[in-house]
Amino acid sequence: DAGITQSPRHKVTETGTPVTLRCHQTENHRYMYWYRQDPGHGLRLIHYSYGVKDTDKGEVSDGYSVSRSKTEDFLLTLESATSSQTSVYFCATRQGGTEAFFGQGTRLTVV
Amino acid sequence: GENVEQHPSTLSVQEGDSAVIKCTYSDSASNYFPWYKQELGKGPQLIIDIRSNVGEKKDQRIAVTLNKTAKHFSLHITETQPEDSAVYFCASIIQGAQKLVFGQGTRLTINP
Repeated sequence: DAGITQSPRHKVTETGTPVTLRCHQTENHRYMYWYRQDPGHGLRLIHYSYGVKDTDKGEVSDGYSVSRSKTEDFLLTLESATSSQTSVYFCATRQGGTEAFFGQGTRLTVV
Repeated sequence: GENVEQHPSTLSVQEGDSAVIKCTYSDSASNYFPWYKQELGKGPQLIIDIRSNVGEKKDQRIAVTLNKTAKHFSLHITETQPEDSAVYFCASIIQGAQKLVFGQGTRLTINP
């Protein structure tokens, strides 16, 4: 399995607080992705990165920001968490032309 | 942007029968179509993929077909077994963009 670690694995936070999720990879893959998974919606792309400091929006990027200052780390930040952002978040990595590898997910609950 | 539609959302089949899951994509520039399997509490894992220059690919009991003209691709699982029960996702990547977009997922249940 690719070395992808998501932290934290579980988090409960209050509405209006900032939250940062971390994805760390040891594979030196160029591309990294953040998805959220909700019942009935599958995996929806939030943001993705195609290199250090190079990121782009996905289909559900509102309320989220990302940063990638090193190849191995891709951070997802919820500036002011809302209940609609309660979800399971998955990070994925890939090297162009190959399969994507997923982390184990982070279950975020906003109360 | 690219949109991937997946059907059905749930599928229940008897053990030993075949299962078919279908996806359509919107952008004709898409050139890579992977299928992922997600077991409970885990991240998705690749089970098979196909590129736009190929019409069909098989790997033991699993096959994927691609119709570029109709922008359809399908996953076929034959001789289903209880361990095939999981959520399956199709996906596509647009050439050059590297934006990996998924369908809504299909929950497959194999009944003994």
